Amino acid sequence: GDSVTQMEGPVTLSEEAFLTINCTYTATGYPSLFWYVQYPGEGLQLLLKATKADDKGSNKGFEATYRKETTSFHLEKGSVQVSDSAVYFCALTLSGSARQLTFGSGTQLTVLP
Amino acid sequence: GAGVSQSPRYKVAKRGQDVALRCDPISGHVSLFWYQQALGQGPEFLTYFQNEAQLDKSGLPSDRFFAERPEGSVSTLKIQRTQQEDSAVYLCASSSPTGGLGEQYFGPGTRLTVT
Repeated sequence: GDSVTQMEGPVTLSEEAFLTINCTYTATGYPSLFWYVQYPGEGLQLLLKATKADDKGSNKGFEATYRKETTSFHLEKGSVQVSDSAVYFCALTLSGSARQLTFGSGTQLTVLP
Repeated sequence: GAGVSQSPRYKVAKRGQDVALRCDPISGHVSLFWYQQALGQGPEFLTYFQNEAQLDKSGLPSDRFFAERPEGSVSTLKIQRTQQEDSAVYLCASSSPTGGLGEQYFGPGTRLTVT
């Protein structure tokens, strides 16, 4: 079945450090890929997405590139801030009637001042 | 405008009790999803509605789980004869017909603890 594998956390960085959170996927079709973020005390919200190979999604300084050849969608940010502390979830969906999201297990990021 | 709301935010049930969890989606959102999130894990799909029609319930873990959306707006997830393994956060999400594939708006969740 379809699945998403994320690097295990937690990840702790100092402010202004470079962030990478790895994500790989297995899918029976051609998925769209997403990063969702959950800030403390808040609901999940969409951070960025990419719908086809070589697309780059970007938002709030975060980027991720859809790599079909390596089935990956790694999340990067050049300089993290304390306010980026959250849980990050990689997810995919396939075209179809349900369009439900399949999530990875999440990566907890803590950024220290 | 208002986002997705869920109630109650926290629910403690004794094993064997029935519970009902409510979701109010964003107005105008025809698609509604329920997910179950165990501690330290990502959300897992339970069921999907388009308006009042339940189009996919393949993720419901047992026949003790039942969901409805009778008027195509508010949805209720009911769990009968709760078991300890049902302890989790239950998330509701809705999406717009004009939104992109996979773009879902999530509520804050209901944390269910079965004792």
